Amino acid sequence: GEDVEQSLFLSVREGDSSVINCTYTDSSSTYLYWYKQEPGAGLQLLTYIFSNMDMKQDQRLTVLLNKKDKHLSLRIADTQTGDSAIYFCAESMGSSASKIIFGSGTRLSIRP
Amino acid sequence: EAGVVQSPRYKIIEKKQPVAFWCNPISGHNTLYWYRQNLGQGPELLIRYENEEAVDDSQLPKDRFSAERLKGVDSTLKIQPAELGDSAVYLCASSLDWANTGELFFGEGSRLTVL
Repeated sequence: GEDVEQSLFLSVREGDSSVINCTYTDSSSTYLYWYKQEPGAGLQLLTYIFSNMDMKQDQRLTVLLNKKDKHLSLRIADTQTGDSAIYFCAESMGSSASKIIFGSGTRLSIRP
Repeated sequence: EAGVVQSPRYKIIEKKQPVAFWCNPISGHNTLYWYRQNLGQGPELLIRYENEEAVDDSQLPKDRFSAERLKGVDSTLKIQPAELGDSAVYLCASSLDWANTGELFFGEGSRLTVL
């Protein structure tokens, strides 16, 4: 069935790297996404990766995709207090990006 | 450029009452989505529009929920009558071209509390 799984919580020390993991189910997903949600706000796209890529880097963000294991990760380098938020993994179902399924989100908290 | 606008931001009603939510997508975005987000969970798709046509409403509880996008721009989502389990945040999102990257632009949501 359609399911995107993430761990619910992650706590890291300020300045350390954060790694948020996700597993998905649809092997034909064309795109996989990471969205960020700050308190009281809607979701905002952080980054996405095309399914024929293994890695994508964008400043402090690194996305790794393991298609064989259907595993996606988001690494945030030098984590700052402003990175505190809920991070949602999402996959596009099928060969188009018309239907997008979200995970339950990982709440990232930063400790001093 | 204005983002996706939703209203009201907050709504508290008693069960069995009706409620309606309104969404104005980003100008030019032909695809519009309504998602429901329960506390501690990710958004779940209720309905997707391509212009004025509802192309995926398989997750919409049609006995009490209805939606429309008459002119292919603004959309309303209605619940009648509301039940306790409908308490959630209702998110509207729009996208320019779902056949491309599928990036969704979300509004801030309408938080519904049913007492």
